[in-house]
Amino acid sequence: NAGVMQNPRHLVRRRGQEARLRCSPMKGHSHVYWYRQLPEEGLKFMVYLQKENIIDESGMPKERFSAEFPKEGPSILRIQQVVRGDSAAYFCASSPPATRGGTEAFFGQGTRLTVV
Amino acid sequence: QKEVEQNSGPLSVPEGAIASLNCTYSDRGSQSFFWYRQYSGKSPELIMFIYSNGDKEDGRFTAQLNKASQYVSLLIRDSQPSDSATYLCAVNKGPNDYKLSFGAGTTVTVRA
Repeated sequence: NAGVMQNPRHLVRRRGQEARLRCSPMKGHSHVYWYRQLPEEGLKFMVYLQKENIIDESGMPKERFSAEFPKEGPSILRIQQVVRGDSAAYFCASSPPATRGGTEAFFGQGTRLTVV
Repeated sequence: QKEVEQNSGPLSVPEGAIASLNCTYSDRGSQSFFWYRQYSGKSPELIMFIYSNGDKEDGRFTAQLNKASQYVSLLIRDSQPSDSATYLCAVNKGPNDYKLSFGAGTTVTVRA
C-alpha cells in the first residue's frame, strides 16, 4: 500500500515562472491537505480539499496560489509567477473520510521548491 | 501570540536519559493534540496523539495533556541516538476543523 506520493521531490524555478506540485493520496483517502514549511519554521496549513471541492483555503495566499483535487488524478498545488519568498518545502497529507483532523493524516515526502 | 509555542532548543540529552519537550497553545477550545517527529529533510511522522487530560503512554513515549494550563508535553524515555530529530507539536481545534496548527518544533540531539 503506497503512501502519500508527491512529485517532484525537488523543483527549481526562476522568478516569474509557474510551479506545479502534485500529490496522490494514499489509497482509500479522500481528504487532502497542503502545508508549507519555511526554513526554521513550523508547518503552516494552506488548504484542505476533498474530491472536486475546496473545503478550507484559509491558509492560502490570496494571489498566485491555487489548489485543486479533480475527480480523477492527483491534487495539484499551483503557484503562479513565483518569487524568492515562495522557496519552501510543501507537504501534502491525506486522511480517510470521517477522520478527526490529524488523527490519521499521513504526510508525503514533500516537494522542495527553490526559486532562483 | 502564536497559536502553538514550543521551546526551540536544541535539546541535548545523553543516551538513556529522558527527553522532555513542552508545548503551549493559545486557543482554549482546542481539542486534539499531536506530536510529530521530523528527521532532517524528511516528512513529519505522527508518533502520539492525545485528546483527554492526563497521560498517554506508547512504548518509550508519554504524552501529557493539561487543558486547564493549555499545556501538552512529550517525554521520551531511554533516549536513543535514533530519536535525534525535530519534534513538532500540533493542535486541532475541534471535530469540525480538520487543519492542524503546528509549533516551530524542538530539535532533540541524543548524545551516544
